Amino acid sequence: DSGVTQTPKHLITATGQRVTLRCSPRSGDLSVYWYQQSLDQGLQFLIQYYNGEERAKGNILERFSAQQFPDLHSELNLSSLELGDSALYFCASSPEDGFFGYTFGSGTRLTVV
Amino acid sequence: AQSVAQPEDQVNVAEGNPLTVKCTYSVSGNPYLFWYVQYPNRGLQFLLKYITGDNLVKGSYGFEAEFNKSQTSFHLKKPSAIVSDSALYFCAVRAYNDYKLSFGAGTTVTVRA
Repeated sequence: DSGVTQTPKHLITATGQRVTLRCSPRSGDLSVYWYQQSLDQGLQFLIQYYNGEERAKGNILERFSAQQFPDLHSELNLSSLELGDSALYFCASSPEDGFFGYTFGSGTRLTVV
Repeated sequence: AQSVAQPEDQVNVAEGNPLTVKCTYSVSGNPYLFWYVQYPNRGLQFLLKYITGDNLVKGSYGFEAEFNKSQTSFHLKKPSAIVSDSALYFCAVRAYNDYKLSFGAGTTVTVRA
């Protein structure tokens, strides 16, 4: 157990729907990072939050959004889902700015049908 | 922009033989380099990092990596591979002034008994 908790582990939904993925960072970590892992794109950085504020943005679609709450957990919202959004979504956390690397959760596997 | 190249999609070795997984990087300024391993249906696990100091870095499970600034490489090595080393290995880099880790495409290692 890495200490980073992601729920749900698996999610199957239909095209056009909206889902929310949840992440609880390791105790004491202030930064949360979201990554998408797909077969054709590899590991793509989506977004980072630090202590409730957005700090860095990567290749995140406009249909996707995220936030970090006062208790430091984070949610990734995916809307108007397409078949191509099917992927593993990882959350990672770090104490501050990830200087020494991240701790990853076990991921949420999203399947859009 | 920062990037990582892992030139081999797959590496196959016999148990007991040395294992090398190659990684080259591109980044502005001094790099922070990482290796992660991913087992099936699991998140990424940290193996080792190079921030500064000795070019030979020792990490978990008997792995080590050598930082070569002139060749912009950070190859992962293990003197004697075992079957349970079979997994997907990712090299990652970040610049000193960037918050995100950029990952390579990954290399699948298969160790045969």
